Amino acid sequence: SAVISQKPSRDICQRGTSLTIQCQVDSQVTMMFWYRQQPGQSLTLIATANQGSEATYESGFVIDKFPISRPNLTFSTLTVSNMSPEDSSIYLCSVARTGAYNEQFFGPGTRLTVL
Amino acid sequence: KQEVTQIPAALSVPEGENLVLNCSFTDSAIYNLQWFRQDPGKGLTSLLLIQSSQREQTSGRLNASLDKSSGRSTLYIAASQPGDSATYLCAVNNYGQNFVFGPGTRLSVLP
Repeated sequence: SAVISQKPSRDICQRGTSLTIQCQVDSQVTMMFWYRQQPGQSLTLIATANQGSEATYESGFVIDKFPISRPNLTFSTLTVSNMSPEDSSIYLCSVARTGAYNEQFFGPGTRLTVL
Repeated sequence: KQEVTQIPAALSVPEGENLVLNCSFTDSAIYNLQWFRQDPGKGLTSLLLIQSSQREQTSGRLNASLDKSSGRSTLYIAASQPGDSATYLCAVNNYGQNFVFGPGTRLSVLP
């Protein structure tokens, strides 16, 4: 398994501001993902964070709104830009290793409320 | 495009009952299927991973089965306890594609 931490655990932000969420893993991993979970909903994949290159975004998500960095194999950030109340969600980081049948492990999540 | 559904959406049972949660998927060419547990406001905890070549996996009171041809997986929980109360999610991974999550089953085990 992998131990994953996220910062901050929660935040309350004003409309129009930006928030950067950090994800740290205790070991090197091949794949890192960012998900959004809106209230009462299941998980939706935002993007795959690629080490050393631009993230791969899913349909409906764009880099200007959700810029992602991944400077190495243990760390990634997700920024939620120009926030609106509709961005209020739990944001989750997950990791998976190739060669381990892609088993996923999740961080504790960041609960974001936008006023 | 892979679609994942879970039945029932919610379930309430008395403590001690055995129960079954269902997960269905539309594209049977999967690489693996993973069951998770999520407590309110928390991240996901991995319960069981079933590879495409396997038919079931067991961990303690949990048993997950996989029938690829019919596009179904079940999670069996034996002798349920109040601490099992949570939302249970299944996620399917197709070859070369990302994980797709089901909507979850919200389980309440009453003491």
